[in-house]
Amino acid sequence: AQTVTQSQPEMSVQEAETVTLSCTYDTSESDYYLFWYKQPPSRQMILVIRQEAYKQQNATENRFSVNFQKAAKSFSLKISDSQLGDAAMYFCAYRSARGDYKLSFGAGTTVTVRA
Amino acid sequence: DAGVTQSPTHLIKTRGQQVTLRCSPKSGHDTVSWYQQALGQGPQFIFQYYEEEERQRGNFPDRFSGHQFPNYSSELNVNALLLGDSALYLCASSLARLAEYNEQFFGPGTRLTVL
Repeated sequence: AQTVTQSQPEMSVQEAETVTLSCTYDTSESDYYLFWYKQPPSRQMILVIRQEAYKQQNATENRFSVNFQKAAKSFSLKISDSQLGDAAMYFCAYRSARGDYKLSFGAGTTVTVRA
Repeated sequence: DAGVTQSPTHLIKTRGQQVTLRCSPKSGHDTVSWYQQALGQGPQFIFQYYEEEERQRGNFPDRFSGHQFPNYSSELNVNALLLGDSALYLCASSLARLAEYNEQFFGPGTRLTVL
């Protein structure tokens, strides 16, 4: 079974600054997908960014970027130029690329943005 | 374009009762997954439905059952409710033919409280 670990329960960042969220995972597979989801207080989970394990290049979506270290099984999320709207719970998630349809989530990191 | 919708928003039940939660997938989606999210935790996969059949199941007891209708909407049923079933229940939809990407779009959830 895949295990996803987020070791930072809470992170605080000043508006316009950068924050990095950590995620590690445990798998014996070589082909998989990794995701970061954002869950604002309104509860609706939104996909922030995804990474295919076979791609060496780190994914980027506007102010959001990842640092994917396959050998270390590490997948961190960097939020640049933080905005008040970035305040939310962030979940790291794993999905196998081989006939497994479920997402396995970490426990989440709460991000607060200070004005 | 309507996103994933869930009903009801909130529900209060007592131990031993049965509950039915409903989900309508995003327009054009044919696959529905259900997740349980305990307070302060990441979502846990319950099961996924495709072509009106349960395609994959997580580590949940048989008290949790589901159904998918020809219009792709889905129900989650929980029998003999326990206090520990109190959680946010999330529905996510996706499109099977894009399995490689299989981005799951989440609904706002149903908050179930068992007293």
